[in-house]
Amino acid sequence: KNEVEQSPQNLTAQEGEFITINCSYSVGISALHWLQQHPGGGIVSLFMLSSGKKKHGRLIATINIQEKHSSLHITASHPRDSAVYICAVNTGNQFYFGTGTSLTVIP
Amino acid sequence: DVKVTQSSRYLVKRTGEKVFLECVQDMDHENMFWYRQDPGLGLRLIYFSYDVKMKEKGDIPEGYSVSREKKERFSLILESASTNQTSMYLCASSIGPIYEQYFGPGTRLTVT
Repeated sequence: KNEVEQSPQNLTAQEGEFITINCSYSVGISALHWLQQHPGGGIVSLFMLSSGKKKHGRLIATINIQEKHSSLHITASHPRDSAVYICAVNTGNQFYFGTGTSLTVIP
Repeated sequence: DVKVTQSSRYLVKRTGEKVFLECVQDMDHENMFWYRQDPGLGLRLIYFSYDVKMKEKGDIPEGYSVSREKKERFSLILESASTNQTSMYLCASSIGPIYEQYFGPGTRLTVT
């Protein structure tokens, strides 16, 4: 049983497209995190949110606590956005991670 | 900027060897974590520590131990490496249990 499910697992897009990655979770959470992992391994935190919506540049993250669902949107996608995007939730004393969405943006 | 460093990017060890992976953070974070990452399985927590000399088991502690003698340093030890411990190992730190985690660059360990 996975506490965090992401979809799609793999995504290929043309440069400039609008991209959505979805995350559903089954536990009560204190916060939800979106992480980005580029080839080579390093993981960077993009957003931490517990309600509503956050925006940073071309990235937008939303969360619906009642539906236990979050989305990560990328507007005007670019090849440098190619990476694995990971959704993680924190219950207050434990983190649960999704298996990631591998995004490839083609020029 | 928070910096989390790991002792090696790539490591090759033989079955049965004792392996030490070191992690150092420079932001005085209380919490430190060791994860392994495998294709299709995502990140899995091995151990975490919320203070010096304190440690808690994560989801997959078998075959591993940890040491935290100083606040900035958290070591992962494979007592007797096995081929099923071939993986990417990631260290992270945070100021508190629910806060953003800062990750190191990862160590890709191969056990032959």
